[in-house]
Amino acid sequence: GDSVTQMEGPVTLSEEAFLTINCTYTATGYPSLFWYVQYPGEGLQLLLKATKADDKGSNKGFEATYRKETTSFHLEKGSVQVSDSAVYFCALSSSYNQGGKLIFGQGTELSVKP
Amino acid sequence: EAGVVQSPRYKIIEKKQPVAFWCNPISGHNTLYWYLQNLGQGPELLIRYENEEAVDDSQLPKDRFSAERLKGVDSTLKIQPAELGDSAVYLCASSGFGEQFFGPGTRLTVL
Repeated sequence: GDSVTQMEGPVTLSEEAFLTINCTYTATGYPSLFWYVQYPGEGLQLLLKATKADDKGSNKGFEATYRKETTSFHLEKGSVQVSDSAVYFCALSSSYNQGGKLIFGQGTELSVKP
Repeated sequence: EAGVVQSPRYKIIEKKQPVAFWCNPISGHNTLYWYLQNLGQGPELLIRYENEEAVDDSQLPKDRFSAERLKGVDSTLKIQPAELGDSAVYLCASSGFGEQFFGPGTRLTVL
């Protein structure tokens, strides 16, 4: 079945460092891909998404490109801030516009130190 | 605009007791989801509703879990009896046409 694998955490970075969180997926067909973020004590929030190959999702300085050839959707940010400390989840959906379920990776905890 | 509301936020019970979680989706959202999030893991779908119809409940452990969505708005998820392994966060989400919006979750601890 469909699945998502993301790099294990925790990831600890200094402020202004470059961030990469790796995500690869297994799916039949052409799923939509997502990054969700969960700040401490809050619910999951959609960070960005891409719905077809070569699409780039971006938001709040974060970017991820849908790479069909490598089945990847790595999250990047050029300069992290302390406020980016959170847990990041990569997810896919094979029927997004029809209300299909999200399949999540296990999450990667990011800690940014001043 | 109000988001997805869940209550209670925290619940502590002893094993074999019943427990119920409530969710109020975003107004106008026809699709409602219940996800289970174990510690250190990503959420996993338990059940999905389209209006009042459960259209995907294949991952719901029906021997002890039940859910309902009366009138296609609010939903309740129940566990009876609870087991130690049910300790987790129970997330509710809703969607209109596409993006799923998540509530803050109910953290259940079974002692």
